Amino acid sequence: GESVGLHLPTLSVQEGDNSIINCAYSNSASDYFIWYKQESGKGPQFIIDIRSNMDKRQGQRVTVLLNKTVKHLSLQIAATQPGDSAVYFCAENPNTDKLIFGTGTRLQVFP
Amino acid sequence: KAGVTQTPRYLIKTRGQQVTLSCSPISGHRSVSWYQQTPGQGLQFLFEYFSETQRNKGNFPGRFSGRQFSNSRSEMNVSTLELGDSALYLCASSLRQGPGETQYFGPGTRLLVL
Repeated sequence: GESVGLHLPTLSVQEGDNSIINCAYSNSASDYFIWYKQESGKGPQFIIDIRSNMDKRQGQRVTVLLNKTVKHLSLQIAATQPGDSAVYFCAENPNTDKLIFGTGTRLQVFP
Repeated sequence: KAGVTQTPRYLIKTRGQQVTLSCSPISGHRSVSWYQQTPGQGLQFLFEYFSETQRNKGNFPGRFSGRQFSNSRSEMNVSTLELGDSALYLCASSLRQGPGETQYFGPGTRLLVL
């Protein structure tokens, strides 16, 4: 079920550690950002979103940070679990109807 | 509530053929977007439909087309298939059209062109 790039940056973390996945976005007009998780053979799954009037938003075990000054987005996963292994994409919504996706980061969790 | 469903899940075609993929959005969602995912190009936007009208289109040739029905279900069609059309085709639905609307994805249709 390979469905993502073969040469993705990879983050390897030990189970129980915190993970930080980074993303640089391109359009300063973007005002809505989403993180998706994609497991092999599946479609992207919504994790968390943030609007440009915020710089931090927390969910269950996940936190998204937005730095508009440097156009940077990060996803923090607390107490990473084996089930978190997947490819993570950030997406920006530059005031249009379409999402622009980043290239993705592969997260590998080892015991 | 059921998620976005796509049919078929897998498809094998030969060059020159045409293909039609189907997407049923989450109940109550009226906007449907289509994306192509390949290892080389990542996730790329194809088009978006709302109220049976195409509202936005990505940079794909005219061989790629779509439509939306009154029940919000959508189909996309690719004519004269090329090897490079092999990809995972993803459909996403959102409640409304417009920026800032969260899009929820289906599992995709994996198309292989031989």
